[in-house]
Amino acid sequence: GPKVLQIPSHQIIDMGQMVTLNCDPVSNHLYFYWYKQILGQQMEFLVNFYNGKVMEKSKLFKDQFSVERPDGSYFTLKIQPTALEDSAVYFCASSFWGTGNTLYFGEGSRLIVV
Amino acid sequence: LAKTTQPPSMEAYEGQEVNVSCSHTNIATSEYIYWYRQVPHQGPQFIIQGYKDYVVNEVASLFISADRKLSTLSLPWVSLRDAAVYYCIVTDHNYAQGLTFGLGTRVSVFP
Repeated sequence: GPKVLQIPSHQIIDMGQMVTLNCDPVSNHLYFYWYKQILGQQMEFLVNFYNGKVMEKSKLFKDQFSVERPDGSYFTLKIQPTALEDSAVYFCASSFWGTGNTLYFGEGSRLIVV
Repeated sequence: LAKTTQPPSMEAYEGQEVNVSCSHTNIATSEYIYWYRQVPHQGPQFIIQGYKDYVVNEVASLFISADRKLSTLSLPWVSLRDAAVYYCIVTDHNYAQGLTFGLGTRVSVFP
């Protein structure tokens, strides 16, 4: 089936540094999402993005977070500066239509902030 | 948003049929029922969706009660690869704040 690719799969970073997580969504999809999952906990919605703009964001989407799709290819999540509580697996997803349509998820980027 | 309730865990042997129930007593007429599953170290994967009655695809079948307050995901002939956390999600097609994943049902499969 359609694949969403995420880079990197793992990253260890010092607290306070910047990190960028990259997502290559399904090629003809129009809606993009980021989710956060702390080990052993439920997956939590962060943000969705359409037509170059953030459509909705949750309370977890702190001011230190930003998303963009600068060149029409990778959809990125940037955290600057990182905090210890940002340690989690971040999943990117894409869909052709909005949320009601099927979401395709990547395998996640495991971020460890030390 | 309709809240869903699922059993926290289920166990089965390979080759058995597994039925995972989901209660959504406050489901609205505009809302659909989605099932996703997540195996370890991967993102969730769509399984099936439905609005009412009975839906079947190559992976699973979904039965929805007449009042739409209960749905049951049926996995025929489970294998070890079906061991995952299964999420029941209720949402309408215009809801923009992303899918809400609960804790799901952890299905364990034994050889």
